[in-house]
Amino acid sequence: GNSVTQMEGPVTLSEEAFLTINCTYTATGYPSLFWYVQYPGEGLQLLLKATKADDKGSNKGFEATYRKETTSFHLEKGSVQVSDSAVYFCALSDTGTASKLTFGTGTRLQVTL
Amino acid sequence: NAGVTQTPKFQVLKTGQSMTLQCAQDMNHEYMSWYRQDPGMGLRLIHYSVGAGITDQGEVPNGYNVSRSTTEDFPLRLLSAAPSQTSVYFCASSRTHDSGNTIYFGEGSWLTVV
Repeated sequence: GNSVTQMEGPVTLSEEAFLTINCTYTATGYPSLFWYVQYPGEGLQLLLKATKADDKGSNKGFEATYRKETTSFHLEKGSVQVSDSAVYFCALSDTGTASKLTFGTGTRLQVTL
Repeated sequence: NAGVTQTPKFQVLKTGQSMTLQCAQDMNHEYMSWYRQDPGMGLRLIHYSVGAGITDQGEVPNGYNVSRSTTEDFPLRLLSAAPSQTSVYFCASSRTHDSGNTIYFGEGSWLTVV
């Protein structure tokens, strides 16, 4: 079956630090990969996505590249802000199953001044 | 644009009580689904629907019923609530079954069963 493994948090960084949150996956087909962000007390918002190998998703300074050879989709940001403090979820959906997302356990990011 | 709307946002139930979590979307999306979020476990799929009149089970369907009588609405029913159903519930929708489609989530419903 499908699975997503994320690095455990919490991750605590100072403002303007470089961020990497690791994500690896196992899938039987050709999945699309997503990063969702959840701010305190809110629902999940799509941060970025990639639908095929070597695609790079990007949004709000965050980037992630779909690496089929290493089955990874690591999230990066060059300079984090306090407002980036949230929980980040890596997820995949397999071929023809858009509503059936498989999520990682989430990584909490805390950015301090 | 309302997107995906869930009600109620907070609910406390006694063991054995029944209730319905409501979900509505105004984007004419075919696909709708319900997830639950528990600490340390990410989100898990409960039930999903690929269109009006069609529903199917996800990863953790036991204790929950769904129906899809219209494109817009996808209620989740707890027939006899148990403490193990204490969780945060998210409704989601997407335009088609294409796996690359963006999935939109509601703001969540916090349910406590005592």
